[in-house]
Amino acid sequence: AQSVSQHNHHVILSEAASLELGCNYSYGGTVNLFWYVQYPGQHLQLLLKYFSGDPLVKGIKGFEAEFIKSKFSFNLRKPSVQWSDTAEYFCAASLGGYNKLIFGAGTRLAVHP
Amino acid sequence: ETGVTQTPRHLVMGMTNKKSLKCEQHLGHNAMYWYKQSAKKPLELMFVYSLEERVENNSVPSRFSPECPNSSHLFLHLHTLQPEDSALYLCASSQRTGRTDTQYFGPGTRLTVL
Repeated sequence: AQSVSQHNHHVILSEAASLELGCNYSYGGTVNLFWYVQYPGQHLQLLLKYFSGDPLVKGIKGFEAEFIKSKFSFNLRKPSVQWSDTAEYFCAASLGGYNKLIFGAGTRLAVHP
Repeated sequence: ETGVTQTPRHLVMGMTNKKSLKCEQHLGHNAMYWYKQSAKKPLELMFVYSLEERVENNSVPSRFSPECPNSSHLFLHLHTLQPEDSALYLCASSQRTGRTDTQYFGPGTRLTVL
């Protein structure tokens, strides 16, 4: 069955540390890939997306992600996190004709000042 | 209002009650979705409506009944729910353009079933 897995459920970092959140998907066909973020008390917001083309995708707030087809991965990165990046991050893959989104379990990031 | 709105934001209901969740999108999209977000589980797609037709029902129990009267509105009618149905219910919308849809989410309705 198609699935999306996020390796880290909880990540704790200090401000200015670098961030990498892992995401792997299991599907042999063409996929669209997304990272969403949910800040405390707020709704899911799109951080970035990959449909095709350059596998390094830049999103909002200094985030980027790299699609590595051979590894079925779409890891999220930020070189220097801020306290305001404290949130839950969700990787998702869109499969099939109706763009059914399959989500990973999410990673809770806590950034300490 | 902009984006995707949902009402109510919080709902407490008994197992014998009937209630409805409402979603409205102000983005001019033609597809709408219901998701369930339970504690410690990934978001689960429940229903997909495209051009007001239901195109996906992800094995959801019949106590959940969706309705899409037009492309801007989506309802989720609830009856005889179980405590395990307590969750955050999220609505999303997208503009179907082939395989490059992006879904935009509402703030959710936090449902508690007693």
